[in-house]
Amino acid sequence: DAGITQSPRHKVTETGTPVTLRCHQTENHRYMYWYRQDPGHGLRLIHYSYGVKDTDKGEVSDGYSVSRSKTEDFLLTLESATSSQTSVYFCAIGMGQGYTFGSGTRLTVV
Amino acid sequence: TQLLEQSPQFLSIQEGENLTVYCNSSSVFSSLQWYRQEPGEGPVLLVTVVTGGEVKKLKRLTFQFGDARKDSSLHITAAQPGDTGLYLCAGIQGAQKLVFGQGTRLTINP
Repeated sequence: DAGITQSPRHKVTETGTPVTLRCHQTENHRYMYWYRQDPGHGLRLIHYSYGVKDTDKGEVSDGYSVSRSKTEDFLLTLESATSSQTSVYFCAIGMGQGYTFGSGTRLTVV
Repeated sequence: TQLLEQSPQFLSIQEGENLTVYCNSSSVFSSLQWYRQEPGEGPVLLVTVVTGGEVKKLKRLTFQFGDARKDSSLHITAAQPGDTGLYLCAGIQGAQKLVFGQGTRLTINP
């Protein structure tokens, strides 16, 4: 397996609080991605990074920010969590012929 | 609006039957990928199809890319309970951004 670790695996937080999810890779891959998965929507891209400090928005970026200060770490922050951000979040690395996904973080906003 | 439309979204069949899952779009993709996802885990890449009309086989699974590179299909022969899972098609859009269909949840009953 490609080395992708997401933390935490599960989190429950209250509406209005900030939350940071971490993705760590050991593959030295340039491209990293954050997706969210909701029933009936497949996976939707939130943000992605194409290098250290180089990031861009995906299709559902509102309410989320990201940072990448090191090649191996890609952080996703919910500045002020809302119930609509309850979801399963996946990090991925890759490009072209194939992508590798982490095991996900299940986030519940109450 | 989903860029990639998968059908059916749910499919429950008996062990030994054959099935086909479809992935359709009005857009042209340079390649399409199929993933399988099990509960509590991230999607795992099954295959990438690149050339229009291409057919790839993975044991009892046959993947086809449409001639116009707008659609793809996954055919499973003699389905087994171990084939149960969520099947996702995905295409690359723009700068290495992977766009997913909404998924097909397949259940094979013994």
